[in-house]
Amino acid sequence: AQSVTQLDSQVPVFEEAPVELRCNYSSSVSVYLFWYVQYPNQGLQLLLKYLSGSTLVKGINGFEAEFNKSQTSFHLRKPSVHISDTAEYFCAVSSSDYKLSFGAGTTVTVRA
Amino acid sequence: DAGITQSPRHKVTETGTPVTLRCHQTENHRYMYWYRQDPGHGLRLIHYSYGVKDTDKGEVSDGYSVSRSKTEDFLLTLESATSSQTSVYFCAIKSSGAPNTEAFFGQGTRLTVV
Repeated sequence: AQSVTQLDSQVPVFEEAPVELRCNYSSSVSVYLFWYVQYPNQGLQLLLKYLSGSTLVKGINGFEAEFNKSQTSFHLRKPSVHISDTAEYFCAVSSSDYKLSFGAGTTVTVRA
Repeated sequence: DAGITQSPRHKVTETGTPVTLRCHQTENHRYMYWYRQDPGHGLRLIHYSYGVKDTDKGEVSDGYSVSRSKTEDFLLTLESATSSQTSVYFCAIKSSGAPNTEAFFGQGTRLTVV
């Protein structure tokens, strides 16, 4: 079984400041990790994914995430946020079954 | 955008009535999923399908049933709607069951049970 914990439910941040969203996972087998973003009143879209190889993964819109196997973490970062980054962000894990398990989500509110 | 259409997009229904939500895809993907999204819970899997007439339960399947008679359509039925089923429902599709495959999501259906 796998599970995902997003450590922050709300993250307020000022425009042009950096942001980090924390995600920890638990799984007894090899995992694949994803970050999805949900803009208001929309569906989810993929920001980035870790499948294998380099532990630093770059995604769309300037986001990146680092996979840390020893700490079972997959934290998402952006060095400088924009107002348009206001959204809910979901960390997700997939392993050997067909399913994708999601964290509870982190709401990022960017203020001018 | 992936060709996924959910209908209806919004629905208000009364407690005890049956409700069916539809997910239609034009990508010919084999795997289809129904999730519900609730504050503080993220997305939780209700049911999924790995082919026509092949379905299985997710973590919150009680009170829900699904059917898939064609590759492109995956129906979610609330047999007798309850207020606890007020939620936003998302359909997702994947081309493969492999865990490294990206899932694509529909726009969601907001269901209110009164």
